[in-house]
Amino acid sequence: EPEVTQTPSHQVTQMGQEVILRCVPISNHLYFYWYRQILGQKVEFLVSFYNNEISEKSEIFDDQFSVERPDGSNFTLKIRSTKLEDSAMYFCASSPRLQGDFSNEQFFGPGTRLTVL
Amino acid sequence: SQQGEEDPQALSIQEGENATMNCSYKTSINNLQWYRQNSGRGLVHLILIRSNEREKHSGRLRVTLDTSKKSSSLLITASRAADTASYFCATDVSGGYNKLIFGAGTRLAVHP
Repeated sequence: EPEVTQTPSHQVTQMGQEVILRCVPISNHLYFYWYRQILGQKVEFLVSFYNNEISEKSEIFDDQFSVERPDGSNFTLKIRSTKLEDSAMYFCASSPRLQGDFSNEQFFGPGTRLTVL
Repeated sequence: SQQGEEDPQALSIQEGENATMNCSYKTSINNLQWYRQNSGRGLVHLILIRSNEREKHSGRLRVTLDTSKKSSSLLITASRAADTASYFCATDVSGGYNKLIFGAGTRLAVHP
């Protein structure tokens, strides 16, 4: 069964460093998302992406964050200058979202645990 | 309360018993989805119920949706130790780009 994959599974970085989290969505999906979950807290929406552009972003997704689909398969989240509070599990999700159907089942990857020291 | 609030926060039952978790939300939705998360792991999609549906079944799972009360429930019948996990409801808010708003979750412990 197709699944969303994410690499790395765990990333440790120093405060102020740039990190890139990578995701390979399910191949025929058109909508892509990043969420994060700080330890012990809710899963929070960061950004949605469709047709090579951001369709919606949350307040968390400030200028330090960017997303890209550099080729036909990868979807990346970049954090330019990491802060301690960026430490969290980052989940990528994708959805087929059939045309005319406003219900989308989102399939999540296993997550990347980011630790900022 | 915030969008997608589950109760109880924690539930402890014996194997074979049924587990019921509730979720309330505040705004209009396209659909509501339930996810499961084993400790420190990814989110597994369990079931999606559309705003025009009232009840849905999948195996041992039964989900209900009451849009007049803005609430949903997830019932797991004949629970097993392997059902031990956190369960989250997530609402797909009307008028949005299908971002999901998650609740804080219910931690379910099923004891053998």
